[in-house]
Amino acid sequence: GENVEQHPSTLSVQEGDSAVIKCTYSDSASNYFPWYKQELGKRPQLIIDIRSNVGEKKDQRIAVTLNKTAKHFSLHITETQPEDSAVYFCAAYKLSGGYQKVTFGTGTKLQVIP
Amino acid sequence: NAGVTQTPKFRVLKTGQSMTLLCAQDMNHEYMYWYRQDPGMGLRLIHYSVGEGTTAKGEVPDGYNVSRLKKQNFLLGLESAAPSQTSVYFCASSYDRRDSGANVLTFGAGSRLTVL
Repeated sequence: GENVEQHPSTLSVQEGDSAVIKCTYSDSASNYFPWYKQELGKRPQLIIDIRSNVGEKKDQRIAVTLNKTAKHFSLHITETQPEDSAVYFCAAYKLSGGYQKVTFGTGTKLQVIP
Repeated sequence: NAGVTQTPKFRVLKTGQSMTLLCAQDMNHEYMYWYRQDPGMGLRLIHYSVGEGTTAKGEVPDGYNVSRLKKQNFLLGLESAAPSQTSVYFCASSYDRRDSGANVLTFGAGSRLTVL
């Protein structure tokens, strides 16, 4: 089955600095890679995603890059703000047994220090 | 439009007791899922359903049962609770779309279960 590894598990940055979270996946058949943000005590919510036929996608201060050859994808947050503090999860989707199977990474706790 | 609603939000059980978590969605989603979230382990899939009347096992199904009698509801049952089932449980739903990128998960607010 698919295995998704996520690093680092915790990350502290100064406000205004950039943050990068990396994920690797094992199954080359995976074709969709979303990122979820979970604020303390709240539900995970989708913040950005990328399909396997795209190398990079940006949305204001966040971006995701995908390297299919190396089977890794990364979340980049620029000009970090205290409200970016949260746990971030990557995920990989692949079609298996007729449905989209989702495998999550173990999460990265990002702390933005004012 | 409430999205995905989970009840109860909190529950404390004694070892051996049973309980049911209810998930309800009003988005006409085909797929529904139950995850558990434990520190350092991310989100692990317990059971899922690809449509009314169907259920299937996920990564960590032992000790849990599910039912999807109505399209909008997905129930997670613990027949004999154990301390190892202390966790935060999230329900999620998504559309049934085979093209990648369309099955965005919408999560409920979570249910915190403590088994003493």
